[in-house]
Amino acid sequence: NAGVTQTPKFQVLKTGQSMTLQCAQDMNHNSMYWYRQDPGMGLRLIYYSASEGTTDKGEVPNGYNVSRLNKREFSLRLESAAPSQTSVYFCASSEPARVDTQYFGPGTRLTVL
Amino acid sequence: GQSLEQPSEVTAVEGAIVQINCTYQTSGFYGLSWYQQHDGGAPTFLSYNALDGLEETGRFSSFLSRSDSYGYLLLQELQMKDSASYFCSGGGSYIPTFGRGTSLIVHP
Repeated sequence: NAGVTQTPKFQVLKTGQSMTLQCAQDMNHNSMYWYRQDPGMGLRLIYYSASEGTTDKGEVPNGYNVSRLNKREFSLRLESAAPSQTSVYFCASSEPARVDTQYFGPGTRLTVL
Repeated sequence: GQSLEQPSEVTAVEGAIVQINCTYQTSGFYGLSWYQQHDGGAPTFLSYNALDGLEETGRFSSFLSRSDSYGYLLLQELQMKDSASYFCSGGGSYIPTFGRGTSLIVHP
């Protein structure tokens, strides 16, 4: 089992460019999450998907969109990147109703110039 | 709102015991989780307390007191590889909230 995988590992964008971060899990988990991590700020929830077909906003959703493509895949899209979106992005998954135990992917390190 | 407070940094020597505290204010609190994150790595799950009391997993233990809105992670027989950031997490429903993390520095 690969667990949670994310692509790409690193990305540099110019202001205004768009991109999609990909996430997939092979643990048959219903719930998936996108976080951003900035120095000294811990992990902040951007969007989550409690189950296939549903998505909801987290703490910091502005500037992002998500798609729960199927049970395995949950993508995060930046339509018009801004320097404030420079961060490390983590995808995570959990068993149904077990938000207390999350499994994280390796992260995507994004720089917006 | 929901918030979890933990110290920003803790230092200790190899072989010692260290306690990382976490106080919280959350609605619909379901329990307290702890994660470890090494520099450049991803957070990994360490432990979860749904009920009051102490949970032990090897050298690591975690404690929760709901009446005090307080918990801690206890690390025993510290090793150099324990140098990392530790996050407490809790919340309600499907919306977990993380503390800002405690950087543990273990000295030889």
